[in-house]
Parts: sequence; C-alpha cells; structure tokens
Amino acid sequence: KQEVTQIPAALSVPEGENLVLNCSFTDSAIYNLQWFRQDPGKGLTSLLLIQSSQREQTSGRLNASLDKSSGRSTLYIAASQPGDSATYLCAVKGGGADGLTFGKGTHLIIQP
Amino acid sequence: SAVISQKPSRDICQRGTSLTIQCQVDSQVTMMFWYRQQPGQSLTLIATANQGSEATYESGFVIDKFPISRPNLTFSTLTVSNMSPEDSSIYLCSVATTDTQYFGPGTRLTVL
Repeated sequence: KQEVTQIPAALSVPEGENLVLNCSFTDSAIYNLQWFRQDPGKGLTSLLLIQSSQREQTSGRLNASLDKSSGRSTLYIAASQPGDSATYLCAVKGGGADGLTFGKGTHLIIQP
Repeated sequence: SAVISQKPSRDICQRGTSLTIQCQVDSQVTMMFWYRQQPGQSLTLIATANQGSEATYESGFVIDKFPISRPNLTFSTLTVSNMSPEDSSIYLCSVATTDTQYFGPGTRLTVL
C-alpha cells in the first residue's frame, strides 16, 4: 500500500526566504505526482504535476523535482510571500484508474 | 481544466440521519472521485464513480454507508448514511482531465 510522508509538518518563515518542502513515497511505481495548496475553507488548487518520466516542473516561483527511484519529491518556493501561506499537499497517482494518495501536508506560514 | 461545484458547502446533522452531497462539473468527465478529509488528517479516497457502472470503493469504505450515484458525465452524488460523529469531515469531489486532478470546494459536515 502506497504511503506518502511530508516533512516538515509545519513551517513558519519570514517573507522573502526561499524554502523547500519535502515529500516521500514508499512505492516508486507511480504514474505521476502532483503538488496542491489548500487554503482554509477552500478546495485544493493544483500547483504542479510531474509525470513519472519527468525530473522537474516549474511554474513561476515554484519548482518541483521528482526522484522516482528514491521515492522523493521536493517543492521549492522562491522569494516567499505572505500570500503563499497555506497547506501544501503532495499526492501520487498509481497506474490505471487510481485516485490519488495524499500526504498529510506541510502547513506553511509566511510572516510579513 | 475543470470547474467543480458542490452542494451543500456545509451542514450540521444529527446522529443517525443521512446527508446527500451533490457534485457538478462544467465539462463531461469519465471518472469522478470522492475523498474524505477528517480533522487534522489528509485526504483519503472513498470511491471512484464511472458513469453507467457501480462505484469502486476503497478498503474501509462500503456502499451501504456511502452510496454513490453517477447519472451522467457531469454530475454525481455521495450520501453519508446513518451518520455518527466520526463522519464529521470535509468531503471533496474530484475529477481528472488529462492527468491533472481538480477538486471541488468541499462539503464540511459536522455530526452531533
């Protein structure tokens, strides 16, 4: 059974810092990996999708990497802003019609 | 992309009653997913719903407790039956287009 772990569980940093969120998964036979952000009272917003054949994806200040063989992904946030405060979730998809297996998330606070 | 709406957005229910949650998507999709997010926990897949066939339930979830309907390619319902306080959670509907998964805003359920 796939298990996804996210470290740290919570992080508070001053505005402007670069930061790294970590995600690990136990079964490397994944189809893709997706990073989401979750804001209180709202649904999930997809940030980046990395296919199993890819090493990284970038969107603006966000960069996600994937090392499938070691079961790891990182989300790099450059020049953090207070608007980046949210819970960041990592999720992996197995093959076929599988849904996603989620980690518990990293609760991020960016201090103004 | 896909825009997903859910009704109700929140509800407070009495023990032993049932609640039906509606999910509407702005485009036709083959598979719809239902997830649960218990307080302080990450998302857990309940079931996958394909139009015209029985939903497929994950381990620990059964049809009698969480019956699902999928009458067409843009709509689905999830019923939480014979509720107990342990069913207090956020319930989220999700669809996949290409490989990206999109989520509705969620239904926050409190069972007293």
